[in-house]
Amino acid sequence: EAQVTQNPRYLITVTGKKLTVTCSQNMNHEYMSWYRQDPGLGLRQIYYSMNVEVTDKGDVPEGYKVSRKEKRNFPLILESPSPNQTSLYFCASSLDNSYNEQFFGPGTRLTVL
Amino acid sequence: AQKVTQAQTEISVVEKEDVTLDCVYETRDTTYYLFWYKQPPSGELVFLIRRNSFDEQNEISGRYSWNFQKSTSSFNFTITASQVVDSAVYFCALSTPSASGGGADGLTFGKGTHLIIQP
Repeated sequence: EAQVTQNPRYLITVTGKKLTVTCSQNMNHEYMSWYRQDPGLGLRQIYYSMNVEVTDKGDVPEGYKVSRKEKRNFPLILESPSPNQTSLYFCASSLDNSYNEQFFGPGTRLTVL
Repeated sequence: AQKVTQAQTEISVVEKEDVTLDCVYETRDTTYYLFWYKQPPSGELVFLIRRNSFDEQNEISGRYSWNFQKSTSSFNFTITASQVVDSAVYFCALSTPSASGGGADGLTFGKGTHLIIQP
């Protein structure tokens, strides 16, 4: 089954404790992206990747890192999480860029205390 | 810079009524794509439609229809004979060429319209 998976689905952590949210797709997509969803703000792009070893900032990249060492994986790293990073995070992938339909993962709900 | 406005924060209608969700976008690009996504209470994001800037034909898919008007920069979504299962948050989104020239790099989302269908 074609899908985007994210782990963990739910996470409660404390300020400053490094964490990684994994994202994996099995559709051989070149493009992958991370968004965060906050009440009243819709979804905002954090980082994206057009291909392996090619990543770039989205609209709200501060406090996040990403890497793209393999085509299928695009982990989101929070080196020192803060409470304002409490949010619902979505990973997405599409064939080659954001003109195409993006397939979204199930979401990761992160709470930083 | 691009922008998507969904002015209706919440709409509540009774089942079987028709309802239209508004979407107004801003971009200076001549090539762009518009999308609608549905987010039901379970939280996942479900793709509904994609439309490119050169295709102004309206689209109908069952009870769903979309009206794209470049003259008013709008891409409105209508649900005919609404059902309780249509209750969700609906997002309109825009994709435009990357400022760096490297290809379309992401979606700009509106803030969403929460649609409540009452039985």
